[in-house]
Amino acid sequence: AQSVTQLGSHVSVSEGALVLLRCNYSSSVPPYLFWYVQYPNQGLQLLLKYTTGATLVKGINGFEAEFKKSETSFHLTKPSAHMSDAAEYFCAVSPNTNAGKSTFGDGTTLTVKP
Amino acid sequence: EAGVTQFPSHSVIEKGQTVTLRCDPISGHDNLYWYRRVMGKEIKFLLHFVKESKQDESGMPNNRFLAERTGGTYSTLKVQPAELEDSGVYFCASSQWGEGARGYTFGSGTRLTVV
Repeated sequence: AQSVTQLGSHVSVSEGALVLLRCNYSSSVPPYLFWYVQYPNQGLQLLLKYTTGATLVKGINGFEAEFKKSETSFHLTKPSAHMSDAAEYFCAVSPNTNAGKSTFGDGTTLTVKP
Repeated sequence: EAGVTQFPSHSVIEKGQTVTLRCDPISGHDNLYWYRRVMGKEIKFLLHFVKESKQDESGMPNNRFLAERTGGTYSTLKVQPAELEDSGVYFCASSQWGEGARGYTFGSGTRLTVV
């Protein structure tokens, strides 16, 4: 069984400030972990993923996330927020099989203030 | 390459009516998934096709939902009869065989409103 908890349904930061979106997961098997982003009126876009290997993964638009097995966390960060980062972000976990049935968190809406 | 296409983008129907949602995956993607987001909550898995076969339909809410994937290409999701609680955003996603666990390409979703 798998589950994902995203801490904070809404996060607000100032432009140029650090972005930190929190994600904790549980999984009975080694997980694959993902962050997706949804901009208004668009579909979900894969931001980054952890499968195996390096635990710090870099994604598009300057985002990165670190897989911490001991903390069962996969927090998403960006050093400096841009107005264009305003969107809804989803953390997801899936088992490392082709089935790829993912379990998603509730989502976190990021607001960037000028 | 063309992305995952879903239509309609919005549908408003009355309780008891039938609605059919369509998804065209990326050409060559054997894996096709349907997910649903209800009332701004988490995105929940509905089912997974590998080519034309249903690999996992454990997330289908009840027998009012019927999914098909003709010839392993496009897929339809029919809701008959629709109930108020079926309102939400229905997402389709696809991936290549063997890559299902490595992340999907999603469509823009169909927003279904049952009144």
